[in-house]
Amino acid sequence: AQSVTQLDSQVPVFEEAPVELRCNYSSSVSVYLFWYVQYPNQGLQLLLKYLSGSTLVKGINGFEAEFNKSQTSFHLRKPSVHISDTAEYFCAVSPPPGNLFFGTGTRLTVIP
Amino acid sequence: DAGVIQSPRHEVTEMGQEVTLRCKPISGHNSLFWYRQTMMRGLELLIYFNNNVPIDDSGMPEDRFSAKMPNASFSTLKIQPSEPRDSAVYFCASSWTGGDDEQFFGPGTRLTVL
Repeated sequence: AQSVTQLDSQVPVFEEAPVELRCNYSSSVSVYLFWYVQYPNQGLQLLLKYLSGSTLVKGINGFEAEFNKSQTSFHLRKPSVHISDTAEYFCAVSPPPGNLFFGTGTRLTVIP
Repeated sequence: DAGVIQSPRHEVTEMGQEVTLRCKPISGHNSLFWYRQTMMRGLELLIYFNNNVPIDDSGMPEDRFSAKMPNASFSTLKIQPSEPRDSAVYFCASSWTGGDDEQFFGPGTRLTVL
């Protein structure tokens, strides 16, 4: 069985400060890993994904994530956040082929 | 590509009425997912189709909910009769299973049951 844990439900951060959103997963098989972002009143859109290869993955809007197999983590980072990054962020895993298992989400609020 | 299309975008109905939500997946995708999102329960998977066949409907709350996928380009989620606790945003997503499983989400339908 697969599960995803997002350790922080809310993360406030000042504009231009760095941020890390944490994600840990549990799976008995190899997985694909994803981060999605949901802006207010919109659907989810893909930020980045890890399938294989380099453990550091770069996504849109300056975000990146690092896959750590030994710690079963896939934390999302950005070195300097902007007001427009205020949104809800979801980590997800897929034991291919098939469904995605989503975490409960982390609400990032960027403070001016 | 137009992306995943959902209709209506907003629906307001009275308790006891039938509600039908519609979804057109991205052309070429072979998997379709219906999700429900609320403040209390977050994002929940309701049902998942692969090649138009329901694979996992364990998330469907109760018999009042039903979903169909008559062909590769159309799916419906029906609630009959609707109740106030069904108020939520319902998302449809599609993917190419057998690829990297990335799901593409529609804009959602905001359902309010009075």
